[in-house]
Amino acid sequence: TAGITQAPTSQILAAGRSMTLRCTQDMRHNAMYWYRQDLGLGLRLIHYSNTAGTTGKGEVPDGYSVSRANTDDFPLTLASAVPSQTSVYFCASSEGQTGELFFGEGSRLTVL
Amino acid sequence: GQNIDQPTEMTATEGAIVQINCTYQTSGFNGLFWYQQHAGEAPTFLSYNVLDGLEEKGRFSSFLSRSKGYSYLLLKELQMKDSASYLCAAMDSNYQLIWGAGTKLIIKP
Repeated sequence: TAGITQAPTSQILAAGRSMTLRCTQDMRHNAMYWYRQDLGLGLRLIHYSNTAGTTGKGEVPDGYSVSRANTDDFPLTLASAVPSQTSVYFCASSEGQTGELFFGEGSRLTVL
Repeated sequence: GQNIDQPTEMTATEGAIVQINCTYQTSGFNGLFWYQQHAGEAPTFLSYNVLDGLEEKGRFSSFLSRSKGYSYLLLKELQMKDSASYLCAAMDSNYQLIWGAGTKLIIKP
């Protein structure tokens, strides 16, 4: 079972360029999330989606956008990357709001 | 504000027992999660407590005291593969997870 697939695994991006991180799940989970993980900090929620067609802002949404056209896909877009967006990005899903999270393997993004 | 506190790093010996503590302050409470994260990998679910008491699952146990805003993860019969970061996360009244920065556990032979 694939679970959650993220792409790319890693990317180096010039500041000012745009980038979309892809996330696909095959578990038919309703809820999906994007987190960033930085050294010394806890996981921080960027955006979430409780069900297809709806999205919401998390703790650190500025500079990021998401869409949820269907149940399986939840892409994260950086419209104009800045160095402070250098991080490891994790996509996750859960069956419901209180269910355990299943994480993708992460996307390591470096913005120069 | 909402906050999770857990030690940054702990060291233990193979075969021993270690307890990782976590204190939380959240607006409302809908449960406490523990995740394990090996270096360079994704977090994986270990446990969920919503009621006071101890939940045992093999070598791992998790405890919750809602009145004290306190939880701990207990790892018994430590193995080298238990070397990882352990993430504590509390769910607030809006069902949002508030994450601690993680406790890096180093296991020595």
